[in-house]
Amino acid sequence: AQSVTQPDIHITVSEGASLELRCNYSYGATPYLFWYVQSPGQGLQLLLKYFSGDTLVQGIKGFEAEFKRSQSSFNLRKPSVHWSDAAEYFCAVGPTGGYNKLIFGAGTRLAVHP
Amino acid sequence: NAGVTQTPKFQVLKTGQSMTLQCAQDMNHEYMSWYRQDPGMGLRLIHYSVGAGITDQGEVPNGYNVSRSTTEDFPLRLLSAAPSQTSVYFCASRQDRGELFFGEGSRLTVL
Repeated sequence: AQSVTQPDIHITVSEGASLELRCNYSYGATPYLFWYVQSPGQGLQLLLKYFSGDTLVQGIKGFEAEFKRSQSSFNLRKPSVHWSDAAEYFCAVGPTGGYNKLIFGAGTRLAVHP
Repeated sequence: NAGVTQTPKFQVLKTGQSMTLQCAQDMNHEYMSWYRQDPGMGLRLIHYSVGAGITDQGEVPNGYNVSRSTTEDFPLRLLSAAPSQTSVYFCASRQDRGELFFGEGSRLTVL
């Protein structure tokens, strides 16, 4: 069955520290991969996406993610976290063909300490 | 530049009542979808549409109806609300393989 697992429900980091949010997926073929961010009371905003090519993907707000096929992972990273990065982060996977139906992970809530 | 607009933002219903959540997009996107968001469960797809007159079920369609008479609008109907339908609902649209654009959500409470 297709699924997305975000092992960490909550993560707390200090401002300026590095961040890695984990995402593992189970999918029958090479998928499209996405990371979305949701601020409180808001809808989701796309951070970055992987379709093909370079497995290290750059996104908005200084985020990057690396696709590792052998590990079925698509972890999100940021070298230095800002207080404004506190939000909930969702990993999503979808098929490569046609109009995809994205499957979302349960989310990781990030808290940032000053 | 409205994007995806959902109304209402908040709604309280009694069990058994019906209502419609409205969704409109002004980006001429063919694909529209409805998700529900529950704590610890991420977003789950309710229904989706790939164009006017075409709809299909997602992961959790029971208790919900949709229709797509125009490209712009994709309303979600709750026929007989149940407490299990208490959730935050998101409408999203996209074009081809582009990113999903989300509305700001509609928080529904069923008593």
